[in-house]
Amino acid sequence: QKEVEQNSGPLSVPEGAIASLNCTYSDRGSQSFFWYRQYSGKSPELIMSIYSNGDKEDGRFTAQLNKASQYVSLLIRDSQPSDSATYLCAASLDEKLTFGTGTRLTIIP
Amino acid sequence: EAQVTQNPRYLITVTGKKLTVTCSQNMNHEYMSWYRQDPGLGLRQIYYSMNVEVTDKGDVPEGYKVSRKEKRNFPLILESPSPNQTSLYFCASSSRFGWTDTQYFGPGTRLTVL
Repeated sequence: QKEVEQNSGPLSVPEGAIASLNCTYSDRGSQSFFWYRQYSGKSPELIMSIYSNGDKEDGRFTAQLNKASQYVSLLIRDSQPSDSATYLCAASLDEKLTFGTGTRLTIIP
Repeated sequence: EAQVTQNPRYLITVTGKKLTVTCSQNMNHEYMSWYRQDPGLGLRQIYYSMNVEVTDKGDVPEGYKVSRKEKRNFPLILESPSPNQTSLYFCASSSRFGWTDTQYFGPGTRLTVL
């Protein structure tokens, strides 16, 4: 069983709409959660981290964490073509970071 | 400029020929890690290091070795590469491993083992 699961997509969203990306994790001991963005051929870059239940907002991005449901999501408001990328969800447990396989997001102009 | 560097960026080699991929960071980070990325499998952690002389296995350590003799460097060694180690490799570092620490990734090394 995969420890961190994401829908691989592709997910297509019109420009200006809200993109919703989802992630579930299997280990209840997971302590903190991260969303990375990866453009094709590039390295991952951190866009959001969340450690407590609830919402965390940063500009157009909102991360949501529900530890009871073992569920993490990322909302991107006012989607832009530059948001087209693969989004990786990651969960940390002790000193290890486990990634999902990523969701490919395409913003349609 | 704060960065993680990897060398080489691209490497084609043959089965059994020992190779080393270097990783260096200039941010005085304590935590360093190696990942491999394969289509459909995502990023998987190979080895990590909490500090100098402290290393531990990640999820897929078989066929790899690492060392951490200096804080800034964390080389990945393939003693006898095999075709199933063909992959995209990333080195990453963070000031320490914890709830608030961002991992910075290097540019990646694309390895092909024939």
